[in-house]
Amino acid sequence: DIQMTQSPSSLSASVGDRVTITCRASQGISNYLAWFQQKPGKAPKSLIYAASSLQSGVPSKFSGSGSGTHFTLTISSLQPEDFATYYCQQYNAYPLTFGGGTKVEIK
Amino acid sequence: QVQLVESGGGVVQYGRSLRLSCGASGFTFSSHAMHWVRQAPGKGLEWVAVISNDGINKNYADSVKGRFTISRDNSKNTLYLQMNSLRLEDTAVYYCARLPGLIWFGLSIDYWGQGTLVSVS
Repeated sequence: DIQMTQSPSSLSASVGDRVTITCRASQGISNYLAWFQQKPGKAPKSLIYAASSLQSGVPSKFSGSGSGTHFTLTISSLQPEDFATYYCQQYNAYPLTFGGGTKVEIK
Repeated sequence: QVQLVESGGGVVQYGRSLRLSCGASGFTFSSHAMHWVRQAPGKGLEWVAVISNDGINKNYADSVKGRFTISRDNSKNTLYLQMNSLRLEDTAVYYCARLPGLIWFGLSIDYWGQGTLVSVS
């Protein structure tokens, strides 16, 4: 199975900050990497697919990059609605696997 | 708009069975592969199973293989997850999720349902 490792597991940031989350795959997955946002008590929301493509309706403050084994999610200017847990997921091979999540909290 | 509504969750005894349903609307259900993904209380996301748009191709996580069966009825726009021999570690919120096309590989989830809680006691 492909292991996905996210870092950090949590971070504290202020409104307006630029935030970057890293996701590493245990083997190369090309660009078959997605990012999801989840708020407490809610279903996940799809943000990014193919490592850097925004899902429909997702604001451009979210951006993704990377290929192979190293990926990043960047939020350009953190807003109150962005405080949530973010997950990466590889879909290069089954079983699909998720990273452990990064909780973004208010400083 | 795309809607996925799960149902069928609840409290169930260890070793018993439960069937989850996911009703789809707002899109042509028969043109999309579908996933089940679960989340144990306070934990991360875990992929469970996938089914192709026509129901022919299926794949399962090792943790549920042989106990869970994914299926669909395209005439009813409904996805199912039959869960047998339930274990304590199956306790989770179960989400159905849509893939944006026919194929069940190489595509990323675009829409999620709101989830249904299964508690095994």
